[in-house]
Amino acid sequence: GQQLNQSPQSMFIQEGEDVSMNCTSSSIFNTWLWYKQEPGEGPVLLIALYKAGELTSNGRLTAQFGITRKDSFLNISASIPSDVGIYFCAGLGTGNQFYFGTGTSLTVIP
Amino acid sequence: DAGVIQSPRHEVTEMGQEVTLRCKPISGHNSLFWYRQTMMRGLELLIYFNNNVPIDDSGMPEDRFSAKMPNASFSTLKIQPSEPRDSAVYFCASSPHGTRWNEQFFGPGTRLTVL
Repeated sequence: GQQLNQSPQSMFIQEGEDVSMNCTSSSIFNTWLWYKQEPGEGPVLLIALYKAGELTSNGRLTAQFGITRKDSFLNISASIPSDVGIYFCAGLGTGNQFYFGTGTSLTVIP
Repeated sequence: DAGVIQSPRHEVTEMGQEVTLRCKPISGHNSLFWYRQTMMRGLELLIYFNNNVPIDDSGMPEDRFSAKMPNASFSTLKIQPSEPRDSAVYFCASSPHGTRWNEQFFGPGTRLTVL
């Protein structure tokens, strides 16, 4: 079953604000991925992380691989209306099992 | 370039009927993944293929579900007989270099409703 918990479950923010969300697991993961899903579409990969402590950016997005290997964080700076969507973390466990998180729904108010 | 193509985009059927979902991966990709997305359980990996061979089907919920990949450009996910709890969005994804989890490209999904 699913092992990745994301928080918060949903966020409503003003345009221009920064956003932080996280993903936690009860077990160790070797790879963390962050996806964005828009209505009626499949998830699209935003950032991939491969080792503990790694910090990677993609434009206004920054993600970190937690040093315990049981969590990951995604930050979005200066949010804009097109950031709206559901953000999923995903992880590859030590047994090569792949799981998606529960998702964080982001609404940006212009 | 065409992305992953899924058909149909929407399917409404009655309980007990057979349902077949179709996927055409991106040309040249050699791994294919089937996922199910529901509000209760989120995104779940059902099965994945590498070079048309099923590698891990441990996510397939029960024997009513079956998946095939007869060639590199086509895969099906079949549910027989369908039940209301199978209602979900089913995604297909493909990857260009084996089972590289960070290189999956998702299709638009098939929304299945079983009445």
